[in-house]
Amino acid sequence: NAGVMQNPRHLVRRRGQEARLRCSPMKGHSHVYWYRQLPEEGLKFMVYLQKENIIDESGMPKERFSAEFPKEGPSILRIQQVVRGDSAAYFCASSPPRATQETQYFGPGTRLLVL
Amino acid sequence: AQSVAQPEDQVNVAEGNPLTVKCTYSVSGNPYLFWYVQYPNRGLQFLLKYITGDNLVKGSYGFEAEFNKSQTSFHLKKPSALVSDSALYFCAVRVGGSQGNLIFGKGTKLSVKP
Repeated sequence: NAGVMQNPRHLVRRRGQEARLRCSPMKGHSHVYWYRQLPEEGLKFMVYLQKENIIDESGMPKERFSAEFPKEGPSILRIQQVVRGDSAAYFCASSPPRATQETQYFGPGTRLLVL
Repeated sequence: AQSVAQPEDQVNVAEGNPLTVKCTYSVSGNPYLFWYVQYPNRGLQFLLKYITGDNLVKGSYGFEAEFNKSQTSFHLKKPSALVSDSALYFCAVRVGGSQGNLIFGKGTKLSVKP
């Protein structure tokens, strides 16, 4: 069973460009979470999605950031008009659909550098 | 507000000695508590979790953690540290029921010297 997959692993963008980060959850997992890790800090929750639904986006900046988890294909975190402060590691996690005390399993992350 | 505190930025231990990485939490309701480890430029690996039941939880790589409700703590322990245990350790608490997002502590860097 493959783990959570994220691509690209590294992404370099210039200010004003768009960044698209992809996350494929573990097989059988229908819940996806995105977190951001700034240098020397812990992970901060951004958004929680199930297939075709955003469940909780309370940690997502109101502007320039969006996320989706379509019926088919990976979850996408999209950052428009990137700024230097967006430079961070972005981690995706997934968990199974059962509403019990499930563990979130993390991908290797995408390290975004904005020049 | 829900929060997790890891009071030590760094813990230094000699190989073969016991190690403890501290974590305290503040939540309303019953906490679901987790420990993860992060190696350089890698994602987080799950170590162990406490949901209910026995206060002493055993996890991967010989790690264990003890849930202490009165002290609101969930310290990570290992009887004999290895150099390969050197990494960044994160404590996390789940909110919003069983499928809610995780709130992480800032992390503790563990350094094990030969």
